[in-house]
Amino acid sequence: EPEVTQTPSHQVTQMGQEVILRCVPISNHLYFYWYRQILGQKVEFLVSFYNNEISEKSEIFDDQFSVERPDGSNFTLKIRSTKLEDSAMYFCASLGGVGVNTEAFFGQGTRLTVV
Amino acid sequence: SQQGEEDPQALSIQEGENATMNCSYKTSINNLQWYRQNSGRGLVHLILIRSNEREKHSGRLRVTLDTSKKSSSLLITASRAADTASYFCATQRSNDYKLSFGAGTTVTVRA
Repeated sequence: EPEVTQTPSHQVTQMGQEVILRCVPISNHLYFYWYRQILGQKVEFLVSFYNNEISEKSEIFDDQFSVERPDGSNFTLKIRSTKLEDSAMYFCASLGGVGVNTEAFFGQGTRLTVV
Repeated sequence: SQQGEEDPQALSIQEGENATMNCSYKTSINNLQWYRQNSGRGLVHLILIRSNEREKHSGRLRVTLDTSKKSSSLLITASRAADTASYFCATQRSNDYKLSFGAGTTVTVRA
């Protein structure tokens, strides 16, 4: 079964530091996403990425956030200057490009703790 | 907002009983998907139902979709302790591939 892998599984960082969360989507998928889930709350959309550019982003995805697909396999989320409220589980997802009625595959998530 | 809203927020049942949870959404969709999340873990895809489908089965799972009421239900039959998890519905709109999640239903199955 194909899977999306995320690293690290857990990251602790000091407030104000930059973090990079990494994801390897399923090969041959074309659409990539980052979501986040603050503990005990709903899963929130951050950004979608297609054809090497952002296709949509939410209000949460401000100038502190950026995404990149640097080498055709990795998909990264960078938070430039972390805040306490960035503490959450971050999920990467990928979606195949054949039709629209396909499931999204999610990674196991990276738990980010900002102290 | 496009997001689905699940009901109830929490559900506690005995092993062997059925668990039913509902999801409502606000705008037209292409499909609706249900995901399971064990505590602190990732999202596991359970089932996808297209907007032109009314019912779908997968093992002990049964999903219905009523587009006129903009609602869906997930039924887990003969529940097991391993079904203890949070269940989320997520809708996918016709004009993009983004999934919008509801707040989830936390299901506890007591042995």
